[in-house]
Amino acid sequence: EAGVAQSPRYKIIEKRQSVAFWCNPISGHATLYWYQQILGQGPKLLIQFQNNGVVDDSQLPKDRFSAERLKGVDSTLKIQPAKLEDSAVYLCASSSLPDSAYEQYFGPGTRLTVT
Amino acid sequence: GENVEQHPSTLSVQEGDSAVIKCTYSDSASNYFPWYKQELGKGPQLIIDIRSNVGEKKDQRIAVTLNKTAKHFSLHITETQPEDSAVYFCAASKVSGGYQKVTFGTGTKLQVIP
Repeated sequence: EAGVAQSPRYKIIEKRQSVAFWCNPISGHATLYWYQQILGQGPKLLIQFQNNGVVDDSQLPKDRFSAERLKGVDSTLKIQPAKLEDSAVYLCASSSLPDSAYEQYFGPGTRLTVT
Repeated sequence: GENVEQHPSTLSVQEGDSAVIKCTYSDSASNYFPWYKQELGKGPQLIIDIRSNVGEKKDQRIAVTLNKTAKHFSLHITETQPEDSAVYFCAASKVSGGYQKVTFGTGTKLQVIP
C-alpha cells in the first residue's frame, strides 16, 4: 500500500511570497489533515477535510492560508503572503474513518523556510 | 481546548536501559491516547495507543499506562536499542463536532547511547 505523498519536500521563499504544497493521501482514505510542525514542537492541526468538505479549520490563519481538496482526493495548502513565522514542516495525514483520527498515516512533510 | 504537556523534552539512556516519557492532558472528554515516533526527515508514525477504559497496554518492549483520575499517561520502553532513537509524541484525542480531534504534546527527543 502506497503511503501519503507530499511535494515538494523542501521549499525556500522570501517573506511576502506565495507557496503551495501538495498532498496525495492513501487511496480510499476519506479524511485528510494538514498540520504545521514548528521546530521543537508537536504537530498543530491547521485543517481537516472529510471527503472534500472542511470539518475543522479553527486554527487555520485564514487571512493568509487556504486549502482545498478537490474531488475528495488530492489536496493543496497555500500560503499567501508568507511570513517569517511560517517557517515549519507542513505535514499531511490521512485516515480511513472520521472517528479514527488516531489511526492517521503521515506523509514525510514539506520543510518550508521563509527568509 | 485540550492542552497536552510532555516531559522530558530530551532523554538520553544507555542501550539496554529503560526510558519513560510522561504526558498530562487537561480535557476529561479525551478518550484515546496515541503515541507517535518521528524519525529524522519523516512524518510521525503510530507505535502504540490506549483507550480511556484501559489502564495499561503492552506491545513487546513498549508499554503505555493511563491514569484517568490524574489525567496523565506514560510511555515505557524497555531494553532500549539505538534504533529507538527518535522524537516521541504523545497525543490526546476526543470527539469534537462529530469527529475525532487529536492534540499533540511537544515531543521528547530520545537518544539511546550504544
